[in-house]
Amino acid sequence: QITLKESGPTLAKPTQTLTLTCTVSGVSISTIGVGVGWVRQPPGKALEWLGIIYWDDDKRYNPSLNGRLALMKDTSKNQVVLRVTNVDPVDTATYYCTHINTNNEDFDYWGQGLLVTVSS
Amino acid sequence: QTVVTQEPSLTVSPGGTVTLTCGFNAGTVTPNSFSSWFQQKPGHAPRALIYSTRNKYSWTPARFSGSLLGGKAALTLSNVQPEDEADYYCLLYSGGGYFFGTGTKVTVL
Repeated sequence: QITLKESGPTLAKPTQTLTLTCTVSGVSISTIGVGVGWVRQPPGKALEWLGIIYWDDDKRYNPSLNGRLALMKDTSKNQVVLRVTNVDPVDTATYYCTHINTNNEDFDYWGQGLLVTVSS
Repeated sequence: QTVVTQEPSLTVSPGGTVTLTCGFNAGTVTPNSFSSWFQQKPGHAPRALIYSTRNKYSWTPARFSGSLLGGKAALTLSNVQPEDEADYYCLLYSGGGYFFGTGTKVTVL
């Protein structure tokens, strides 16, 4: 049974760097074919893919975030960390992490999500 | 800029059938788009329903099916149940990135 859980601050101020952690259980994030992705959803709006980090540490980011994202793995803790720099109120959203089976590009398991509000 | 478009809303009667579609503004959806579908109910995380166009998970009800239709990805709900009322999102893979659709709100009435 694969489970994921997001953690981090629920409030951030504009211009700060937001750091969120995804803790994965039930599979090693170093297993060939495993990816961990981040998706966000502003209140009342659609889902938006942010980025993915692969088992081999390769990374892909949504270019619309203009280089503000960084993903890294802590294999000893089976965690993936997402950093978003220079946050703005438009970054207010529920942030989800997902397990991705890269053989099929399918986002099969999702965390419960973490609502982050950006406000001064 | 890649945009993935879905119907904003659809209404279906209990026991009826409804088809949702998902299209790229830049071209057609193909098997290499690895289209997938998600159901989301208020206050909950999305739940995966379909992957790689038409494959189901062990938890996917049999009444959900995926396909390609007229250059778009499609999700068909047959024998619709009241609990199928939800938002549905598609996801397409292209050029190393992923693109979610705009979402369809399905009302069962």
